[in-house]
Amino acid sequence: DAGVTQSPTHLIKTRGQQVTLRCSPKSGHDTVSWYQQALGQGPQFIFQYYEEEERQRGNFPDRFSGHQFPNYSSELNVNALLLGDSALYLCASSLLGEGPGEQYFGPGTRLTVT
Amino acid sequence: SQKIEQNSEALNIQEGKTATLTCNYTNYSPAYLQWYRQDPGRGPVFLLLIRENEKEKRKERLKVTFDTTLKQSLFHITASQPADSATYLCALRALTGGGNKLTFGTGTQLKVEL
Repeated sequence: DAGVTQSPTHLIKTRGQQVTLRCSPKSGHDTVSWYQQALGQGPQFIFQYYEEEERQRGNFPDRFSGHQFPNYSSELNVNALLLGDSALYLCASSLLGEGPGEQYFGPGTRLTVT
Repeated sequence: SQKIEQNSEALNIQEGKTATLTCNYTNYSPAYLQWYRQDPGRGPVFLLLIRENEKEKRKERLKVTFDTTLKQSLFHITASQPADSATYLCALRALTGGGNKLTFGTGTQLKVEL
């Protein structure tokens, strides 16, 4: 049973560029969340997708957008990259509902903006 | 504003001792409190969760307590081993907003020495 997968593993971009990160959820999961984790900090919630719609959003600007596909996989897009966007981007999958919602994380994509 | 605090200083203990990590929160009414382990450069791994109406939960060498009056959770690892060395994150989930996003603390680094 494959867990959560993310691609690419590492990425180096220049300020002002755009980036797309990809995530495939754990088998059987219907919800994908994206988190940004700066060095020495806990993960910060960006947004969550369920049934191809954004269900919740954290305190991130509109430069951060996403998409969920019918097979539940997801993309995170970041436009007009800033140096401060350098971080580990984590994808997590779960089952939506009133349950505890424990999340299964992928290995992350390390984004460096120069 | 909502705040989750974990001891930012690393916790160093000897092998075989019990490690106790603290998670305090303010301005939050979590339905669930979860603990994750994160190794350097990797995504967090779900360990254990506790519901708001539970006082204590155990899983093998792990024990979590939850005091909604004190707004505090304690995470214990008994008979600690060097392999337990990692950063431990607490995360809270409320039952509002239509999703199951998690709000994380900054994590506490645990080092178990021989």
